[in-house]
Amino acid sequence: DAKTTQPPSMDCAEGRAANLPCNHSTISGNEYVYWYRQIHSQGPQYIIHGLKNNETNEMASLIITEDRKSSTLILPHATLRDTAVYYCIAQGGGADGLTFGKGTHLIIQP
Amino acid sequence: EPEVTQTPSHQVTQMGQEVILRCVPISNHLYFYWYRQILGQKVEFLVSFYNNEISEKSEIFDDQFSVERPDGSNFTLKIRSTKLEDSAMYFCARTDHPGLAGQETQYFGPGTRLLVL
Repeated sequence: DAKTTQPPSMDCAEGRAANLPCNHSTISGNEYVYWYRQIHSQGPQYIIHGLKNNETNEMASLIITEDRKSSTLILPHATLRDTAVYYCIAQGGGADGLTFGKGTHLIIQP
Repeated sequence: EPEVTQTPSHQVTQMGQEVILRCVPISNHLYFYWYRQILGQKVEFLVSFYNNEISEKSEIFDDQFSVERPDGSNFTLKIRSTKLEDSAMYFCARTDHPGLAGQETQYFGPGTRLLVL
């Protein structure tokens, strides 16, 4: 799976949109971009994934650049409960174990 | 999507003892994973298990570890002779559609916190 790069930490004010970037310049054509988050020591939680089109669900939106070398996860109205470590993972077809990096520690400020 | 449940939530054991961690599927899932997370470190893949066989394992998953589905429902991770460095959170995860591109979302359980003294 392709390596991803994320900033180690970010702050966002409560109620504002949180935009979390991820670089995956070596992503291959069959790899999807997945986002998970981990709140404190809980199990990682799936957020959203996409291949090349932008995606939106009840939790977030995912914007993938046309060249697929980077993406942005958007939490439209961040709340304090969104404080967590967010992981961007490039995953190809198959059922391989996920390779987690250090992720981005998002801190929502009141 | 329902996740899996895990038991126990916490386990304290003495070094050298055997521990068994359990993953309980909500429904008849077939494809499972085990991960561990040492305090303050990254989540690390250990092993994947499909249809009662190991599918993939990492370098961490050595002879000290084993997985099985003893009764056709619960999915267990056994650590034969625990060491201090086995202290970690252990997460079980499942996927519904292994091998289908874009449908390999993994759903994680709440974890078992293992402390080896």
